[in-house]
Amino acid sequence: GQNIDQPTEMTATEGAIVQINCTYQTSGFNGLFWYQQHAGEAPTFLSYNVLDGLEEKGRFSSFLSRSKGYSYLLLKELQMKDSASYLCAVMDSNYQLIWGAGTKLIIKP
Amino acid sequence: ETGVTQTPRHLVMGMTNKKSLKCEQHLGHNAMYWYKQSAKKPLELMFVYNFKEQTENNSVPSRFSPECPNSSHLFLHLHTLQPEDSALYLCASRSSSGQEAVGYTFGSGTRLTVV
Repeated sequence: GQNIDQPTEMTATEGAIVQINCTYQTSGFNGLFWYQQHAGEAPTFLSYNVLDGLEEKGRFSSFLSRSKGYSYLLLKELQMKDSASYLCAVMDSNYQLIWGAGTKLIIKP
Repeated sequence: ETGVTQTPRHLVMGMTNKKSLKCEQHLGHNAMYWYKQSAKKPLELMFVYNFKEQTENNSVPSRFSPECPNSSHLFLHLHTLQPEDSALYLCASRSSSGQEAVGYTFGSGTRLTVV
């Protein structure tokens, strides 16, 4: 079966760094996505990785290891507005997205 | 605004009611999706339309009926729902012409409560 695993909830301090991990087992692989979803709002696209390595975009970075079926999202210089759920999703061989349940990130002052 | 608009934002309906959810996008995307999002669960794909043709129906109960009259509009017709159908219903769209890196664009969802 297809499976995406990520922690249910994480807590971090404003100004700090947090890493959200995602492991996956899917039928085929056409890239891995991270989305951010604030409560009551639409999920919004953060990053896409299809090759191994680190993609950096401002305070956010995303890493992929296809051989390990593993990705992480790294958030630096945390701000209160980063409090949200972070969704990991893998695009399978049919170009459909397989979703994790999301990680709720709580930022404390 | 993401470019995908969903109405209504909130809906409370009885189990015997009939209602419809609407999704509209003017991003030029040719694939549209309905997802169900329940608390602490992964997004559940319900229906997929490519170029107005339904290509996926993930064993969704017949009390949910999709309609895609054109590539910009998508409806989800609801009839005799159950309390366990209460959830956030998300519409998404994407271009299926090789732009995989862009991913999906989501609407803000309809928060449905069945009483």
